[in-house]
Amino acid sequence: GAGVSQTPSNKVTEKGKYVELRCDPISGHTALYWYRQSLGQGPEFLIYFQGTGAADDSGLPNDRFFAVRPEGSVSTLKIQRTERGDSAVYLCASSLGGLAGNNEQFFGPGTRLTVL
Amino acid sequence: GENVEQHPSTLSVQEGDSAVIKCTYSDSASNYFPWYKQELGKRPQLIIDIRSNVGEKKDQRIAVTLNKTAKHFSLHITETQPEDSAVYFCTADSWGKLQFGAGTQVVVTP
Repeated sequence: GAGVSQTPSNKVTEKGKYVELRCDPISGHTALYWYRQSLGQGPEFLIYFQGTGAADDSGLPNDRFFAVRPEGSVSTLKIQRTERGDSAVYLCASSLGGLAGNNEQFFGPGTRLTVL
Repeated sequence: GENVEQHPSTLSVQEGDSAVIKCTYSDSASNYFPWYKQELGKRPQLIIDIRSNVGEKKDQRIAVTLNKTAKHFSLHITETQPEDSAVYFCTADSWGKLQFGAGTQVVVTP
């Protein structure tokens, strides 16, 4: 079946602009996660949805970052007033869910964001 | 919060030899520990996982061990092959969110 998909695969923007990154999880997966991976580092947790609600948004670095999942499926990560330090690969993952975690997370291919 | 330490950062092995990666974690509530393999420019992919009610798990050439008391876990790859070359990440699941180690770049030379 189809895996997790993310669009766009690459996004180049200018400092100060607004960007939206989209994630389509595996059908039937109720949990959805966003991570950010900088070059040479491990992915860093940003936010986790269980259904439509954010179960844990403790990883969002500041209020320029926001994510939604209005119908419990597709999610959009929104970044306002982008800064050069936001440049990274943004990874999305989904799993069967459950608030206690402990389920395999399947990752998408990522969106490479470059802020000039 | 959770902190996962991973060593070594790079590991070069001769084809056919074994590779061992070691990790420690800090959150005693963590009870699920997946390992991911990431090839250059690709997504992380699960290779094996272990839950806290198990001390060891093996899948063909890959094995993981977990010591919950010491908060240590490790990955063992035997009979390494060139296609094992990649970055490997240990992770600890803390109420749904994965905390990743910094990664180990494994290079298997023929």
